[in-house]
Amino acid sequence: EVQLVESGGNLVQPGGSLRLSCAASGFSVSNNFMSWVRQAPGKALDWVSVIYGGGGTDYADAVKDRFTISRDISKNTVFLQMNNLGAEDTAVYYCVRAMSDWGQGTLVTVSS
Amino acid sequence: QAVLTQPSSLSASPGASASLTCTLRSDINVITFHIYWFQQRPGSPPQYLLKYNSDSDKELGSGVPSRFSGSKDASANAGILLISGLQSDDEADYYCMIWRNSAWVFGGGTKLTVL
Repeated sequence: EVQLVESGGNLVQPGGSLRLSCAASGFSVSNNFMSWVRQAPGKALDWVSVIYGGGGTDYADAVKDRFTISRDISKNTVFLQMNNLGAEDTAVYYCVRAMSDWGQGTLVTVSS
Repeated sequence: QAVLTQPSSLSASPGASASLTCTLRSDINVITFHIYWFQQRPGSPPQYLLKYNSDSDKELGSGVPSRFSGSKDASANAGILLISGLQSDDEADYYCMIWRNSAWVFGGGTKLTVL
C-alpha cells in the first residue's frame, strides 16, 4: 500500500527557513516523480515543485531560487527546503506521488 | 487571464448528472493536453479521479467509480468532468490540471453542491 507521510510544518517568521519531509512507503521514490503541491487556506491547489525519477527537478516561478526539492533514496524520503519564507507561502503542503497518491499534508504558517 | 478557468460553483440534484468544465486560455489548445481531474472533500487531501486526452487515451483512478468520466469540447476549448448518478458524497471541490512547460497548472476549482 502506498503511503506518504509529511512532516516538518510549523510556524515560522517571515524571512525564515523550514524543511519539509515526505516519508514514502509501498514504492520507491527513485522510480517515480514526486511533487509538492500547496494549498493556502480557502484557496485552490498550487503546484510547487517536482523531482523526477532520474533526479531532475522543476519549480514554480513563485518559489524558484527559494525552495529546493531533494530526496534520500536510502530513506525513501523526499524533502522540500524552503528559504526566505513570506506570508504568501502559508499553506498546507502536500507530497504527491506521480499524479495519483497524496499525503495528508503538513501546515506551514509564516507569521510574525 | 488564467491558464485554466473553472466555474466557482455548481449545484445539482441527487441522481442527476453534473458537467464540470475547465476552459483553457485561448492561446492553449485543449487538443494538445491531457486533462487531469481531482476531487477534494472538506478537510481531506485531494484525490486523483481521472486523466483524459481522448477516448482511446484515458485513465480512471484506482477505486474511482465509473460514474466519473472525462471528455473534451474542442469548440469550447475545454475539458469536461461528467459525474452521473450524483450522490451526496460527491459534494466536494473539483480541480482540473494540465502539465505545461514542465509545470503543473491547476484551475481555480469548482465547488459542487448536491442538493
